[in-house]
Amino acid sequence: DGGITQSPKYLFRKEGQNVTLSCEQNLNHDAMYWYRQDPGQGLRLIYYSQIVNDFQKGDIAEGYSVSREKKESFPLTVTSAQKNPTAFYLCASSIERLGQGRENYGYTFGSGTRLTVV
Amino acid sequence: DAKTTQPNSMESNEEEPVHLPCNHSTISGTDYIHWYRQLPSQGPEYVIHGLTSNVNNRMASLAIAEDRKSSTLILHRATLRDAAVYYCILGGTGNQFYFGTGTSLTVIP
Repeated sequence: DGGITQSPKYLFRKEGQNVTLSCEQNLNHDAMYWYRQDPGQGLRLIYYSQIVNDFQKGDIAEGYSVSREKKESFPLTVTSAQKNPTAFYLCASSIERLGQGRENYGYTFGSGTRLTVV
Repeated sequence: DAKTTQPNSMESNEEEPVHLPCNHSTISGTDYIHWYRQLPSQGPEYVIHGLTSNVNNRMASLAIAEDRKSSTLILHRATLRDAAVYYCILGGTGNQFYFGTGTSLTVIP
């Protein structure tokens, strides 16, 4: 079955450490996204990538980095510069359609990674 | 970015219909209206989407106002498994979805 896989499900990080969250999809989707969700809040966009070897900052990119070396993979690194990294992180992918009258087919989300700083 | 407005919370009795409203007065002509729902500690899942006409699928129905400035997600018979946060989102340019805080639906047995 096609889908999007995030790992690990739970992650603990010591202050000052970098950690990398994995996101893999086998849906042949061009676009991938990283969101952050805090308790009782909506989702906020960290980074997104519409094509391999290209990505753009979202609304809250500071303290995070990404790479897109393969179509299937979009790992997120939470760096020590991120002052409040404890949150629920969600990866998503979507078909990117271009041109007039395109239909936005929407997102497929992973099951999330819960990151806690200890 | 086109934004949506939803009530923070709603309640419904089990096996009764639920109408979840969404206002999107600044919607553009090419924006699709999408609905997702999120169970606790899970990623959001797709529910339904539409452009102008009302839409039905096995999960729900989507009623879109004629002027497209509002829409309503209809769950025909609420079950306990429908308790979730429901997000109404406009599909804008670049395929970026902007999520608000959604509507938290409580289903009462």
